[in-house]
This record gives sequence, C-alpha cells and structure tokens, in this order.
Amino acid sequence: DAKTTQPNSMESNEEEPVHLPCNHSTISGTDYIHWYRQLPSQGPEYVIHGLTSNVNNRMASLAIAEDRKSSTLILHRATLRDAAVYYCILGGGGADGLTFGKGTHLIIQP
Amino acid sequence: GAVVSQHPSRVICKSGTSVKIECRSLDFQATTMFWYRQFPKQSLMLMATSNEGSKATYEQGVEKDKFLINHASLTLSTLTVTSAHPEDSSFYICSARDAQRPQETQYFGPGTRLLVL
Repeated sequence: DAKTTQPNSMESNEEEPVHLPCNHSTISGTDYIHWYRQLPSQGPEYVIHGLTSNVNNRMASLAIAEDRKSSTLILHRATLRDAAVYYCILGGGGADGLTFGKGTHLIIQP
Repeated sequence: GAVVSQHPSRVICKSGTSVKIECRSLDFQATTMFWYRQFPKQSLMLMATSNEGSKATYEQGVEKDKFLINHASLTLSTLTVTSAHPEDSSFYICSARDAQRPQETQYFGPGTRLLVL
C-alpha cells in the first residue's frame, strides 16, 4: 500500500476552520484518498473520500492537489466533538483492507 | 451512511476459553468484510479479509488456526478467538464494503473490547 504522512497532532480553536494535511507522494493512479476519524474506544468513522476532484459532504471538504501527491481535509467550523484522531488512507477499493498510519491527533480548544 | 454492528461490545473471559465476535452489515450486503485489532495507543492493524462463501485470507503473522473467521452470509462475519490468552486482549474492529459499490469506502463497526484474564 502507498504510504501517507500526516502531522502527529494539531490544535485548533472551536468554531474555527481546521485544515488537516496529508502527503502521499507515491500514490498510484487508481488509489482513492480516504479520511476516517476515531474517537477513543470507538471504531473509525468515515469522513470523506475522493479520487481526483475536490469533494464536499456534510461533515467536511477534501481538497486534492492537482498532482494528487497531497490532500487536505477541511473542517469548516470545528466543534469540540471533532476532537479525534484523523487518518488519511490510500486504497484502491475492491477486496483491499486498509493500512492505517498513526494519524493526526486533533485537539480542539474551547 | 451504511451501518455496521458488532456484538458483543465488550467481553471478559478466562485464559484458555474461546470467544466469538459477530460483525453485521445492517443495511447493505457485504461480500467482503475485514477484521482489525488495535492495541492501546496504537493504530488499527488489519488481521484478515473475510470473503463470503470462501476462506478468509490472513495477514502475515496472524495465526489462522487461532483466529477463526466465518462469513456464512452477505451480512454476517464472525471472528472466533480460540484458546484466548492475556496477550490477545485488544480492541477488535470489523469493517464492511458494500457489494453494490465496491469502489466505495469501508464502513466500520463500533468495536469489541476483549479482556482475557
């Protein structure tokens, strides 16, 4: 599986936007970019995924670089409930399991 | 989004006993389900891929005779930890992919906390 690189932790203030970066310079043409988040003692929660174009959903936006070697998860207005570990994962779909890195521990200050 | 459930949510057992964990896709069919485990302060590690109607495929280092996987229907996969030992204590998480949308993402269950005494 292609590897991703994320900052270990980030801190933001409540009600402000958060930009979580992810580098994936060895991404292949068929790899989707998936974002999940995990709260303590819970299973990962799907956030968003994309292939080439930027994506928006009710939870977040995903901005994908033109060369696809990096992407940014955008939380438009962080709340305390957004505090979690965020994982950026590459996957080709089909029958592949996901390879989780260490993710980014997002801390939200009130 | 799609819902995946796990049962039980937590289990405590004695060393040497076997424990079965169920993973169900509630509103979609899943020809493929995945089992992960997560030790404290670590990330999820893929253990095996569960294929409906066929044998599971295991990741390197995961003993297939110890972690028995059965995927008897399109909505249910079970993981049985046989002869459990304290080092098997972990957070076990399953995920499933919608068979109708194989290129889409995986949906995860809430996890099962196993403690072996």
